Amino acid sequence: EIVLTQSPGTLSLSPGERATLSCRASQSVGSSYLAWYQQKPGQAPRLLMYGASSRATGIPDRFSGSGSGTDFTLTISRLEPEDFAVYYCQQYGSSPPYTFGQGTKLEL
Amino acid sequence: EVQLVQSGAEVKKPGESLKISCKGSGYSFTTYWIGWVRQMPGKGLEWMGIIYPGDSDTKYSPSFQGQVTISADKSISTAYLQWSSLKASDTAMYYCVRGIGYFNYWGQGTLVTVSS
Repeated sequence: EIVLTQSPGTLSLSPGERATLSCRASQSVGSSYLAWYQQKPGQAPRLLMYGASSRATGIPDRFSGSGSGTDFTLTISRLEPEDFAVYYCQQYGSSPPYTFGQGTKLEL
Repeated sequence: EVQLVQSGAEVKKPGESLKISCKGSGYSFTTYWIGWVRQMPGKGLEWMGIIYPGDSDTKYSPSFQGQVTISADKSISTAYLQWSSLKASDTAMYYCVRGIGYFNYWGQGTLVTVSS
């Protein structure tokens, strides 16, 4: 089973700043089968990115993803007030289970 | 419009059985995998397992194998997550999701509370 480790656990920033979130896998996830989700309190998670760098439908272009193999990054170029939430990475590159990281809380 | 609509919140006692549901609409139910994701209170997301309603092929996380049963009734476009004997540690929000890899559609969640 692939273990995903996200860092930092909590990231404190202000609107307008740049956010960089990291996700590291215990082994290669192969062909960049890595997704990112955003979850706000009381809501279901929302898909942001898939294939490491492809934005899901309706996701603004201030969100970008990069990486391959074992190291992946989600970047939010200029934080908007609505971006403060918890972010999870998920790998789906090997056989199931398709594990999630433990999350990064982006706070004001 | 693709929708996954889950059954309502449940309050159960330890040892009781439970089956929660997820009804898909707006797409061909038999041609997409449906999965379940657990979120314990204040915690992260856990991938539980998935089912292909077309032939009921099912894959479980080792952490949940033998603890829950995932099934589907394609005649009514509904997937299920079932427990035969609940524990207090099963208290969580459970989401159904569409897809085998990443999940671009999520249900609204079903809160299961297990307490004596």
